[in-house]
Amino acid sequence: RKEVEQDPGPFNVPEGATVAFNCTYSNSASQSFFWYRQDCRKEPKLLMSVYSSGNEDGRFTAQLNRASQYISLLIRDSKLSDSATYLCVVNLTPGGTSYGKLTFGQGTILTVHP
Amino acid sequence: EPEVTQTPSHQVTQMGQEVILRCVPISNHLYFYWYRQILGQKVEFLVSFYNNEISEKSEIFDDQFSVERPDGSNFTLKIRSTKLEDSAMYFCASSETLHGGYTFGSGTRLTVV
Repeated sequence: RKEVEQDPGPFNVPEGATVAFNCTYSNSASQSFFWYRQDCRKEPKLLMSVYSSGNEDGRFTAQLNRASQYISLLIRDSKLSDSATYLCVVNLTPGGTSYGKLTFGQGTILTVHP
Repeated sequence: EPEVTQTPSHQVTQMGQEVILRCVPISNHLYFYWYRQILGQKVEFLVSFYNNEISEKSEIFDDQFSVERPDGSNFTLKIRSTKLEDSAMYFCASSETLHGGYTFGSGTRLTVV
């Protein structure tokens, strides 16, 4: 089983649509969870951290289900500028086996069209 | 907004040559990392560095790779004898804590010919 698994897409949606991405992770010792976005040939940029209680940042909502080892990202009212690859990222912190190492999923490609 | 700076943005080198990729992490950050991304593939961890020593490294980070923080601001990745399969985008990153997300530099595209 892959450490972090995402549906690669691509997702093609019209402006204004709501789109949801899912991610599963294999290591139950994982402690921190993030969504990053990556534009073509650019560096990953932190979009938001993901907390067990769920969290929202404007049009973006992230959820974590530790029991199912499942993370989600919901984007409402999609904009053209949301077109990017969305990376599900997991951090094993001390107490586990990794020292702050981030493990990335393959990424989900989103294209928002007019 | 503070940023991680990487130089050069693009390096072309011949197979077997040594390359040094340079990074200036965010000044108050304590943890430093190198990642790489082969074109079309996922971002992969190479090495983490804390308190002037390697804290963890991946299987990719073999004897051909080394890291150094020579002067308290720069953080370098050296590849001693490059191979064709080392061609990738190399990202430096830094973080203030182990628990939060971290900031990536804009990357160095390494092409080995």
